[in-house]
Amino acid sequence: QVQLVQSGAEVKKPGASVKVSCKASGYTFSSHGISWVRQAPGQGLEWMGWISGKNGNTNYAQKLQGRVTMTTDTSTSRAYMELRSLRSDDTAVYYCARRSLDTDAFDMWGQGTMVTVSS
Amino acid sequence: SYELTQPPSVSVSPGQTASITCSGDKLGDRYASWYQQKPGQSPVVVIYQDTKRPSGIPERFSGSNSGNTATLTVSGTQAMDEADYYCQAWDSSTGVFGGGTKLTVL
Repeated sequence: QVQLVQSGAEVKKPGASVKVSCKASGYTFSSHGISWVRQAPGQGLEWMGWISGKNGNTNYAQKLQGRVTMTTDTSTSRAYMELRSLRSDDTAVYYCARRSLDTDAFDMWGQGTMVTVSS
Repeated sequence: SYELTQPPSVSVSPGQTASITCSGDKLGDRYASWYQQKPGQSPVVVIYQDTKRPSGIPERFSGSNSGNTATLTVSGTQAMDEADYYCQAWDSSTGVFGGGTKLTVL
């Protein structure tokens, strides 16, 4: 079945970087894009950006430009999200989500990765 | 930047109809999707392309989108429908989520 499986929880110090992975299975990875969405504790969903599974083209949320990089490895059907210069307000659950080619909706989500930024 | 606005909370009695709105400039000119999120779980799409239900989503979930407002309607609301609901649309290639609405089934 179609699923996205993310890497485990991370604890980082302010100023450090984190890289979260998202392994796709059950579909042709290059046929759909992957978005990253985060959710701070008790808060709503925040779209971080999108990467094409076909050619690696990206589009990042303006507020994260310069701190975030999204990549893919088509040989392993994995997507990665790296966030640099971490701050305490980056503490959140980070989700990868498949953007359906047919509907433009997020039709499959990973289980989420908790990233805690604390000194 | 494009913004979507939702009411923070909506309450409904079991068996009644709940409506959750999502407002944005000329939102009706774009497709809206709706996501349900229960505590500790990942979001799940319940409506896409304004009105369409994915397989496995109960028929009591329906959507509409016109003018500046998209609406998610839950008919015959059940206790299991208590959750946070988020609308979402695309502004060119940028994804935008509404702030979310907590649906309480009293």
